[in-house]
Amino acid sequence: NAGVTQTPKFQVLKTGQSMTLQCAQDMNHEYMSWYRQDPGMGLRLIHYSVGAGITDQGEVPNGYNVSRSTTEDFPLRLLSAAPSQTSVYFCASSYRDRGGYEQYFGPGTRLTVT
Amino acid sequence: GDSVTQMEGPVTLSEEAFLTINCTYTATGYPSLFWYVQYPGEGLQLLLKATKADDKGSNKGFEATYRKETTSFHLEKGSVQVSDSAVYFCALNRMDSSYKLIFGSGTRLLVRP
Repeated sequence: NAGVTQTPKFQVLKTGQSMTLQCAQDMNHEYMSWYRQDPGMGLRLIHYSVGAGITDQGEVPNGYNVSRSTTEDFPLRLLSAAPSQTSVYFCASSYRDRGGYEQYFGPGTRLTVT
Repeated sequence: GDSVTQMEGPVTLSEEAFLTINCTYTATGYPSLFWYVQYPGEGLQLLLKATKADDKGSNKGFEATYRKETTSFHLEKGSVQVSDSAVYFCALNRMDSSYKLIFGSGTRLLVRP
């Protein structure tokens, strides 16, 4: 299993450009999430999905769109990039075991908006 | 709302020293508690977890006990190594919102030879 994969690893955008961050998992997990990591703030939830065709907003959704057409893929779209979206983005997937839910994280995408 | 508070870093220790990183939480009900570790340039990895009061999570010599009476989940290790240098995140989630992890701000640990 590859686990959770993210592409690209690094990206530089100009203000106003759009792009899609890709995330895929091969573990057949129901739940997938996008977080952003900023210095001194931990990780904050952007959007999440509880299954194919179902998405909802997290803590900081403005400026981002998501869709979940398959169980495996959960892309994050930046509609019109702004410098405030400079961050490291992590995708995660999770499943339920006896002890509750456990999230698996991808390696991250470092985005710089100039 | 739910929240996690961690001690601020960086924490700098000599090799073989004892480590404690404090974590306290605010949550309704009975959340699950986690410690994640992020090595330089990498994503987050689950280090250990506990799902109910008085549970002790342990892995790679690290331990943390779920203390409901003090709403704490402090991370400890008896003898740190240089390879333990990383950022450590305390987090919680509730069974009714498994997709949503709430993170502390992270504590950077630097271990010197």
